[in-house]
Amino acid sequence: EDQVTQSPEALRLQEGESSSLNCSYTVSGLRGLFWYRQDPGKGPEFLFTLYSAGEEKEKERLKATLTKKESFLHITAPKPEDSATYLCAVQFGGATNKLIFGTGTLLAVQP
Amino acid sequence: KAGVTQTPRYLIKTRGQQVTLSCSPISGHRSVSWYQQTPGQGLQFLFEYFSETQRNKGNFPGRFSGRQFSNSRSEMNVSTLELGDSALYLCASRRQGASDTQYFGPGTRLTVL
Repeated sequence: EDQVTQSPEALRLQEGESSSLNCSYTVSGLRGLFWYRQDPGKGPEFLFTLYSAGEEKEKERLKATLTKKESFLHITAPKPEDSATYLCAVQFGGATNKLIFGTGTLLAVQP
Repeated sequence: KAGVTQTPRYLIKTRGQQVTLSCSPISGHRSVSWYQQTPGQGLQFLFEYFSETQRNKGNFPGRFSGRQFSNSRSEMNVSTLELGDSALYLCASRRQGASDTQYFGPGTRLTVL
């Protein structure tokens, strides 16, 4: 069964303390992996799309990487405004076009 | 370019009623997907529409239905509301391809009393 698992479920960091979030998947025929950020009560905000193993994308303090089995979202020197839930979603091949979402990592960055 | 818009933003209904939610995709996007988000289940796929045709459907009962119009705007309907239908309903649009990025709207918060 196709599955997407995110870890940890929750993470508390001090401002400036770098860390990584993990998204592992058991999907056949990966077509794309997507990272989103979601603030409470709002819709997910797109961050990155990764298509193939070895690919990396960066945006400000965030960097996403992809291997054949998992993706990492690295957060360098986080600030309190980086606090949010980070969602990973996987698009798999075949006739269907639906995304499978992980349950997210709730990140809290304390000043 | 304007983002995905959803109306209404908040709704309160009672059990047994029905509700219709609306979604306007980003200009040029032909695919619209709907998701239900709850604290316990996370984001769950409801259905996707492309060129007025339902392209894919998730594991939800027939009380959940949708449609898409020729201008790509979409509506979803939930009949005979149950308490468990209380959730954030999210609409997402993308150009058309399966590898295209989906962009989400702000969601409609539905509360069923």
